[in-house]
Amino acid sequence: DTGVSQDPRHKITKRGQNVTFRCDPISEHNRLYWYRQTLGQGPEFLTYFQNEAQLEKSRLLSDRFSAERPKGSFSTLEIQRTEQGDSAMYLCASSLLPHRTLNTEAFFGQGTRLTVV
Amino acid sequence: RKEVEQDPGPFNVPEGATVAFNCTYSNSASQSFFWYRQDCRKEPKLLMSVYSSGNEDGRFTAQLNRASQYISLLIRDSKLSDSATYLCVVNGYGQNFVFGPGTRLSVLP
Repeated sequence: DTGVSQDPRHKITKRGQNVTFRCDPISEHNRLYWYRQTLGQGPEFLTYFQNEAQLEKSRLLSDRFSAERPKGSFSTLEIQRTEQGDSAMYLCASSLLPHRTLNTEAFFGQGTRLTVV
Repeated sequence: RKEVEQDPGPFNVPEGATVAFNCTYSNSASQSFFWYRQDCRKEPKLLMSVYSSGNEDGRFTAQLNRASQYISLLIRDSKLSDSATYLCVVNGYGQNFVFGPGTRLSVLP
């Protein structure tokens, strides 16, 4: 399967625990995005990388959230001291930004559904 | 005001109906435009890109009006399998993808 893959698919955690999610993008894609989606809403942007550089972070991303893409391939999203309000679907997407042209479409992984109890 | 807004929905239409979705965006620097489809509890998937001249893919037609910052999606002869949430997405050059809240469509037998 050469699509975007995310792990785990589901995570249930107790409030106050730390969780980490992984995303493996499509191999030749230089852009990697993280989004959060709650029921009945569209995906909300969290952060994105071009290769290993984190280019933008949303104001939604509190200090408890951190993301990395150390070698420009896979990425991790960590949430520290989880709160019930963190319960959501966390979606990863990747795209190819060719030099000096418009961005191509983003391809999404199946998401990680986080439930904080 | 949200950066991308869509018809609130839901739309409940009979099979065979024609349905149109509207989307407006606030960032005039937006360069790329897309419609995504999202089935319940699944990830969004690209339905079609939207080009300045408008484009058609089978029963689906997308239009873009840059002056009005308006995007539309028309679905003709709707099928039960078209039931989903339709997400309008815009992207500025070198920027992230911004999603609208989505419009839910239910096609009824």
